Amino acid sequence: DAGVIQSPRHEVTEMGQEVTLRCKPISGHNSLFWYRQTMMRGLELLIYFNNNVPIDDSGMPEDRFSAKMPNASFSTLKIQPSEPRDSAVYFCASSPQGSSGNTIYFGEGSWLTVV
Amino acid sequence: GQSLEQPSEVTAVEGAIVQINCTYQTSGFYGLSWYQQHDGGAPTFLSYNGLDGLEETGRFSSFLSRSDSYGYLLLQELQMKDSASYFCAVRRGNTPLVFGKGTRLSVIA
Repeated sequence: DAGVIQSPRHEVTEMGQEVTLRCKPISGHNSLFWYRQTMMRGLELLIYFNNNVPIDDSGMPEDRFSAKMPNASFSTLKIQPSEPRDSAVYFCASSPQGSSGNTIYFGEGSWLTVV
Repeated sequence: GQSLEQPSEVTAVEGAIVQINCTYQTSGFYGLSWYQQHDGGAPTFLSYNGLDGLEETGRFSSFLSRSDSYGYLLLQELQMKDSASYFCAVRRGNTPLVFGKGTRLSVIA
């Protein structure tokens, strides 16, 4: 079975540009999570969806960040405009057990560098 | 809010046993999970403790004491491939997992 699929795997962009990260969760999973990982802050939850509905976006750092899940098989995380401090690895993850599940499955991550 | 504490780095010798501790402070605690992440890779699930005691999966074991708000991951017969970061994560009710900052394990010959 295919795991969580993220794209792009690596992106280098200039400050001020728009960045769109994409995620395809595991088929049948009803929860999707966006995490950000940095050395300083570790793995931080940005937002999560249950059945395509955003439940909690309190982890989204600023209005520059937005996320959508138009259907059960696709989600995007957008940063506009991007800033150097947004440089991080962005992980998408999904779970078959809802947000209270013990096991979540991560994609390979999108490595973002903003210069 | 919640907080998790785990050592930032641990070094151990190949073939030895290593224990990675995790203490947590959180309300509505349900259980403690452990994830492994190799450099450049994704975190992957290792184990979960919802009740006090020891859970064993091959060379890996995980322990939880709810009264002490404490758990640990035990890795036996260490192999070089076990060099990775290990994260504890708490489950609180119907909210997503909250991760600690991770412990970087280096296995040396």
